[in-house]
This record gives sequence, C-alpha cells and structure tokens, in this order.
Amino acid sequence: DIQMTQSPSSLSASVGDRVTISCRASQGVSTFLAWYQQKPGKVPSLLIYAASILQSGVPARFSGSGSGTDFTLIISSLQPEDVATYYCQEYNSAPQTFGQGTRVEIK
Amino acid sequence: EVQLVQSGAEVKKPGESLKISCEGSGYSFISYWVGWVRQMPGKGLEWMGIIYPGDSDATYSPSFQGRVTISADKSISTAYLQWNSLKASDSAMYYCARPRRGDGYTWAFDIWGQGTMVTVSS
Repeated sequence: DIQMTQSPSSLSASVGDRVTISCRASQGVSTFLAWYQQKPGKVPSLLIYAASILQSGVPARFSGSGSGTDFTLIISSLQPEDVATYYCQEYNSAPQTFGQGTRVEIK
Repeated sequence: EVQLVQSGAEVKKPGESLKISCEGSGYSFISYWVGWVRQMPGKGLEWMGIIYPGDSDATYSPSFQGRVTISADKSISTAYLQWNSLKASDSAMYYCARPRRGDGYTWAFDIWGQGTMVTVSS
C-alpha cells in the first residue's frame, strides 16, 4: 500500500497569510492526487483533483501542485472560513490512501 | 441534483450485525463506482473499499478485508456496508462517496453522502 504523509499536522496562521501544506507519497502516484477540506462537524469536500485542478466552486486562493511523490496545497490568503482539516488522497490504485490530515486554525 | 443519501445513525451492541445504506440519485447509479470511507472519532479519513454497482465488482483495503462486506442493489440505486459481528472499535462515522467520473475508480471523490454514525457499545 502507498503511504501518504502530510506536514505539518497542524498550523496556526493569521488572516491573510499564505499557508502551505505538504503531502508526500511513499511511491509515485503521478498526478492522481486530491485535496479535501473538512470543516468541523461537516462532510469532506473536494478542493483539488489531478494534483492541481481546482474543483468547480472552490475559491481561487486555493491551489495545488506537484507530481510523483511530492505535492503541495497552498492557500494564498487565509480566510476565517478556511478553518478546517485538509487531507490529501492518492487515487492511483487501491487502497486509495488518505494522508493523516492537517488542521488549520486562525491565530 | 446528484446526491448520495445515507441511512440514519445506528446504536448497536458488540457482536450484533449491521447493514448501512447509501442511495444514489440524479445520475446513472450503475455507471459510477461507490466508495466507503471511515472516520473514527477525532481521527482522519480511511478508505475502506469501493464497488461498481453495474456488476458488484468490489475492492477492499487490506485493513478492512474480511471485516466488512460492500454490496449494491442496482435495482434501487443503493450501496451497502455490512458487518456480521460489530466491535466497539467499529464506532465511527461512515461516508459513502462517488468518484468524479464513471470510467474506473481512479478519480477523486466529488460527491459525498452525509455520513452514518455507528455507535457500538454494551
């Protein structure tokens, strides 16, 4: 199975800050990589797929990059409504492993 | 509207059996895989397995193989997750989810059910 490792596990940043979350796969997954946002008490929602394609309706302050084993999610200007846990997921092959999550809070 | 609607919360005792459901609507149910994801209290997302309702072909995570059964009834556009003997450690929120495209399951989940909370306690 492919292991997905996110860093950091949590972060606290100010409104307007640029936030960077990393995700590393234990083996190459090409660009079969998604990012999800889960707000407290809510259902996960898809932010980015194919490593860098923004899901319809997702604000442009979110962006993704990477291929192979190293991926990055960037929030260019953190907003209060971005408080959530963010998960990466590889979907190249079963089991389609999720990262352990990164909790984002407002400082 | 494309949606997945899951069955309601369940409270069970250890050793009991359980089958929870996920009904798809607004799209061709038999043409898209349906996956199941576990989230234990305060923890992250875990991919359990996935099924193609068109022919009931299912693939499981090794972590869940033999512990749960994923099935589907295409006549009523419903997928299921089943346990034969629950344990306290099965207490969790369970989500069903649909990949973005119907040609295989190597796609991100863009449609999620609302979740079914399962509590197993004596």
